[in-house]
Amino acid sequence: GQSLEQPSEVTAVEGAIVQINCTYQTSGFYGLSWYQQHDGGAPTFLSYNGLDGLEETGRFSSFLSRSDSYGYLLLQELQMKDSASYFCAVAPGSGYSTLTFGKGTMLLVSP
Amino acid sequence: DVKVTQSSRYLVKRTGEKVFLECVQDMDHENMFWYRQDPGLGLRLIYFSYDVKMKEKGDIPEGYSVSREKKERFSLILESASTNQTSMYLCASSLYADRETQYFGPGTRLLVL
Repeated sequence: GQSLEQPSEVTAVEGAIVQINCTYQTSGFYGLSWYQQHDGGAPTFLSYNGLDGLEETGRFSSFLSRSDSYGYLLLQELQMKDSASYFCAVAPGSGYSTLTFGKGTMLLVSP
Repeated sequence: DVKVTQSSRYLVKRTGEKVFLECVQDMDHENMFWYRQDPGLGLRLIYFSYDVKMKEKGDIPEGYSVSREKKERFSLILESASTNQTSMYLCASSLYADRETQYFGPGTRLLVL
């Protein structure tokens, strides 16, 4: 089976940098994705790491280390609108497998 | 623009009722998914479909069934609703089952009394 661990809550102030970690245990592994969900909204895709290293998309970056079964999402220059839940998801990558999501990290950004 | 729509945003049903939740996507995606989301539990996969008339159980299929008669439409059916099925239900679609971006609908918040 698959299991993912991420912190339940993270707090930060506007303009700061925050890192949300995700560790995983899977029977197979194809890649790690991150999704953002605002309160009452639908999850939306943020980033995907299929290879080790850092992927950057504007203020957001995502990192993957396959050897450590670990990844993180880095949010820079935090804004109030970044207050949301962030989910990591792994792709086991075998047969008709699907994404397995972590329980989510609620990020609270204060002024 | 990518779009996944769900038939209702809010739904109130009584215990024992049969409930239909519908999802439509306009991206010609092969794969469609039904999740439920509960506080502290994240998104849990109920069923998914990788083609018309094909379906696979997810992690929590008990008490649910699905139907996919057309590529763009994926229905979730609660045969006999129970109070423990009160939840947020999210539909998603993707080009590939695991590696590709999943696009989510706005969700249906179901209350079973």
